[in-house]
Amino acid sequence: DGGITQSPKYLFRKEGQNVTLSCEQNLNHDAMYWYRQDPGQGLRLIYYSQIVNDFQKGDIAEGYSVSREKKESFPLTVTSAQKNPTAFYLCATRLTNTGELFFGEGSRLTVL
Amino acid sequence: AQSVAQPEDQVNVAEGNPLTVKCTYSVSGNPYLFWYVQYPNRGLQFLLKYITGDNLVKGSYGFEAEFNKSQTSFHLKKPSALVSDSALYFCAVRDINNNNDMRFGAGTRLTVKP
Repeated sequence: DGGITQSPKYLFRKEGQNVTLSCEQNLNHDAMYWYRQDPGQGLRLIYYSQIVNDFQKGDIAEGYSVSREKKESFPLTVTSAQKNPTAFYLCATRLTNTGELFFGEGSRLTVL
Repeated sequence: AQSVAQPEDQVNVAEGNPLTVKCTYSVSGNPYLFWYVQYPNRGLQFLLKYITGDNLVKGSYGFEAEFNKSQTSFHLKKPSALVSDSALYFCAVRDINNNNDMRFGAGTRLTVKP
């Protein structure tokens, strides 16, 4: 089936550790996005990529890093520099300029 | 930069009654407007969008929304609510001149009671 796969669904991390969240898509979409969701704040853009080997910072990129080596994959690394990493992370893709975003099922990160 | 306001954190309706979830937006140019729904611990699902044309847009699961340029609003509506409509709803806006800057509202939690 076509879609966006995020893994892991749930992740626990100790303070000071880096973690990488996976996002894989088989929709053949060029643009991919990472959002962070916190209760009562809606979604905030972390990073986006319009094409392979290119990505741009969003509003809250500090403490995060990404790569886009393949069209299908856009992993997000939450580094130890992120002060408050506990959140729900959503990956999305977009096909056309006027099109809606397609979302994965999300990854919930909890820092212990 | 564009922005979205969802003035109600919570909307409660009885099953069978009409529902409205409000959204107002701000953009410098012409907007692309979207509604999404989220169930607990799930990703967002697309409901409908306004790009151009008819101001009344029909979407999934019987939902519709009306684009009102003078009031800069894009309220989500459904004639008859179902208990299964209970979820978190997000309005989003994108300026047609910036494809990568989609702004989301804070969300409105809809509860439909039997």
